[in-house]
Amino acid sequence: ETGVTQTPRHLVMGMTNKKSLKCEQHLGHNAMYWYKQSAKKPLELMFVYNFKEQTENNSVPSRFSPECPNSSHLFLHLHTLQPEDSALYLCASSQEIWGPRSTDTQYFGPGTRLTVL
Amino acid sequence: AQTVTQSQPEMSVQEAETVTLSCTYDTSENNYYLFWYKQPPSRQMILVIRQEAYKQQNATENRFSVNFQKAAKSFSLKISDSQLGDTAMYFCAFMKLKGPNSGYALNFGKGTSLLVTP
Repeated sequence: ETGVTQTPRHLVMGMTNKKSLKCEQHLGHNAMYWYKQSAKKPLELMFVYNFKEQTENNSVPSRFSPECPNSSHLFLHLHTLQPEDSALYLCASSQEIWGPRSTDTQYFGPGTRLTVL
Repeated sequence: AQTVTQSQPEMSVQEAETVTLSCTYDTSENNYYLFWYKQPPSRQMILVIRQEAYKQQNATENRFSVNFQKAAKSFSLKISDSQLGDTAMYFCAFMKLKGPNSGYALNFGKGTSLLVTP
């Protein structure tokens, strides 16, 4: 699966570090998403971007800062994280099709395994 | 808010047998979509099957089929002729129909870990 790529695949950082996660989609989609996957919990939607505009921020702490420079790229900037932020961060993309019975499938990247020490 | 419940944290099935994973959801929406995603140990989340709520016919994809009961808000996944490669976490997800210029947010269940044994 190479439609949605994420780098790095693994990241270890201290609480005072600043790092960024990168997501790139090669599917020509116009919507991108960040999800957090923690052990024993459902995937949590963090941010939604549609046509490069942020349309949802799911009460995410400000230490997570998304950036979407264009429809193909999505970043998640991290600073002053806490150990409980350790998780798998998944990026997804989809093609928004508006209509009374539009449907849309999200395609996921492989994720970045983040460990905060 | 929509909630998705997967009541089976773990299941196992023998190769070539059939297994059914359960999923229930709670919503006041009438138009929505339901998905089953598979996440193998490699961690890549892969779409297995999807169902539009307005369609009465159950979706099928090769060995995978669903039993969609809209009134009961139930959406189970049946895997026929199970294969070793089916070993994975399976997530049920709900998406409501949203307006233009807004993304489509998926609400996930906690997942069912399926082990296919030889």
